[in-house]
Amino acid sequence: QVLLVESGGGVVQPGRSLRLSCAPSGFTFKNHGMHWLRQAPGKGLEWVAHISYDGTKEYLADSVRGRFTISRDNFQNTLFLQMDSLRLEDTAVYFCAKDRFSSSWWGGDYIYGMDVWGQGTTVIVSS
Amino acid sequence: DTQMTQSPSSLSASVGDRVTLTCQASQDISHYVNWYQQKPGKGPKLLIHGASNLAAGVPSRFSGSGSGTDFTFTISSLEPEDIATYYCQQYADFPPLTFGGGTKVDLK
Repeated sequence: QVLLVESGGGVVQPGRSLRLSCAPSGFTFKNHGMHWLRQAPGKGLEWVAHISYDGTKEYLADSVRGRFTISRDNFQNTLFLQMDSLRLEDTAVYFCAKDRFSSSWWGGDYIYGMDVWGQGTTVIVSS
Repeated sequence: DTQMTQSPSSLSASVGDRVTLTCQASQDISHYVNWYQQKPGKGPKLLIHGASNLAAGVPSRFSGSGSGTDFTFTISSLEPEDIATYYCQQYADFPPLTFGGGTKVDLK
């Protein structure tokens, strides 16, 4: 069974930092690009960041570029989101998600969208 | 960025009803659309990929169609467990990945 489990959420003051982790299981982690997405209370889904299967390419949403960093450890099988300079508007449930594309199909990093999502971890930025 | 306009924002239907949602892209995105179902407190679940392909294990009452800028998602016969919010999402124009605003489906 393919599973993603996020951790690291919590309550933090504006301007502080938080590091989220995502633990995958049930699939070959190193073959898949990964995403972070978020959902503010009562709102829709927002894509936050993507990292390629091998960690060589990273993409960030305009709303978090310069403050958030996505990374992965393919030996420890873990995905990370380092969130610095947090703002009130970063309050949300954060989801990690696996991209449907597998690098085992053919070479390169292609984005096919998310086929498996975690349950999410809640981040509350409040003074 | 490609904007995805989803409608309606909410609807009420009875068990057994045919339910149709639409999503319009701000530019031609070919067939690069996914549809997701999200229940309260849960992460979204992929139902349809590539506009019309049923994801593994998803019941056949769910279907999708469309290409270019106009897309449709249909539940052929609504079941009680289908009560959820549904989102379309495009992956033709990246970054960023963008979503429609969602359609909340509840029971009449």
